[in-house]
Amino acid sequence: DIQMTQSPSSLSASVGDRVTITCRASQGISNYLAWYQQKPGKAPKLLIYAASTLQSGVPSRFSGSGSGTDFTLTISSLQPEDVATYYCQRYNSAPRTFGGGTKVEIK
Amino acid sequence: EVQLLESGGGLVQPGGSLRLSCAASGFTFSSYAMSWVRQAPGKGLEWVSGISASGTSTYYADSVKGRFTISRDNPKNTLYLQMNSLRVEDTALYHCAKGPRSSSWYNDYWGQGTLVTVSS
Repeated sequence: DIQMTQSPSSLSASVGDRVTITCRASQGISNYLAWYQQKPGKAPKLLIYAASTLQSGVPSRFSGSGSGTDFTLTISSLQPEDVATYYCQRYNSAPRTFGGGTKVEIK
Repeated sequence: EVQLLESGGGLVQPGGSLRLSCAASGFTFSSYAMSWVRQAPGKGLEWVSGISASGTSTYYADSVKGRFTISRDNPKNTLYLQMNSLRVEDTALYHCAKGPRSSSWYNDYWGQGTLVTVSS
């Protein structure tokens, strides 16, 4: 099965900082990658699909890039409400594996 | 407004069974793929199973294959997960999630989840 590896597992940044989270697939998955945000005690929320397409209603400070095996989620200017855990998920074939998650905190 | 409401969770002994349900509303249920995703306490997300809009195609994680069965009743707008031979490691919050199309497999809406605890 294709494994999804996220890094870092956690990070702390200041409000206004640019934040980058990476996700690596053990085999190529084209652009079949989604990113989710999960706040404590809440269900996950879709941010990006097809590696770089912003889901409707998601702030434009979120962006995604990549194809094949290497992907990136970028928050251009970190806001207090972005404190959450972020997950990537491949969906090209079953099993639709998630990455291990990246916990984002405010410094 | 899309709503997904899971039910059926609870405390069960190892080796036991449970059937989870997910009542869907606010969209044409029969037109969309659906999935189950679980999250063990304090852990990350784990994809469990998926089913196409028609119900003819089903998919499972290796960890549940042969023990869990996903199904759907389109006239009743309900998704199910039959869980047999439950193990302690199946303890988790189980979310149902909607796909964006009939056989597309990321998830654009999620339910709040139902808690399954497997313990003696």
